[in-house]
Amino acid sequence: QVTLRESGPALVKPTQTLTLTCTVSGFSLSTSGLSVGWIRQPPGKALEWLALIDWDDDKYYSTSLKTRVTISKDTSKNQVVLTMTNMDPVDTATYYCARTSRDSYKYFDYWGQGTLVTVSS
Amino acid sequence: ETVMTQSPATLSVSPGERATLYCRASQSVSSNVAWYQQKPGQAPRLLIYGASTRATDVPARFSGSGSGTEFTLTISSLQSEDFAVYYCQQYNNWPPITFGQGTRLEIK
Repeated sequence: QVTLRESGPALVKPTQTLTLTCTVSGFSLSTSGLSVGWIRQPPGKALEWLALIDWDDDKYYSTSLKTRVTISKDTSKNQVVLTMTNMDPVDTATYYCARTSRDSYKYFDYWGQGTLVTVSS
Repeated sequence: ETVMTQSPATLSVSPGERATLYCRASQSVSSNVAWYQQKPGQAPRLLIYGASTRATDVPARFSGSGSGTEFTLTISSLQSEDFAVYYCQQYNNWPPITFGQGTRLEIK
């Protein structure tokens, strides 16, 4: 059974760095063709893709956020980590991690339940 | 960046009727489009990938079509559980991966 679970702080202050962890089970982060991505959703708004890491450690970032976002993984711990620097109230959103399909196409077949991050002083 | 534009923003349909949702890409994305359903307080759920292939356990009343820049999601006979927000996503011209702004399907 494939599951993903996001964890991290519910509240961060402006200018702080956010670190979120996605813990996966039911598959290996080293499985050929698989990737894990981060997607966020401000309250009442649309989905926004942030970053993605491949099974072979290739990394990809949103054009608008690539100076602030870093993605990494620890295969032994079954974890994917997203860091986002210089947080601002506009970054308030539910942050999801999601797995891409095994055929290397970048659509997301399994999602975590999401974690709401509020940026406020 | 490939922009995905969904229409309409809100669609009001009666249970049992057909609903048709549209997604247009700003440039060709071949057939590399996925559709997701999102209910309040829940994560998105994959419905369709490859423009027309239903994901596992998705009912047959959901169908997708299109290629290039024009895509459609059709729900043939709406059930109460189908009222939700629907998003399209392209994964042809990436990065970045891009989503549409969503269509809210509401009960008429």
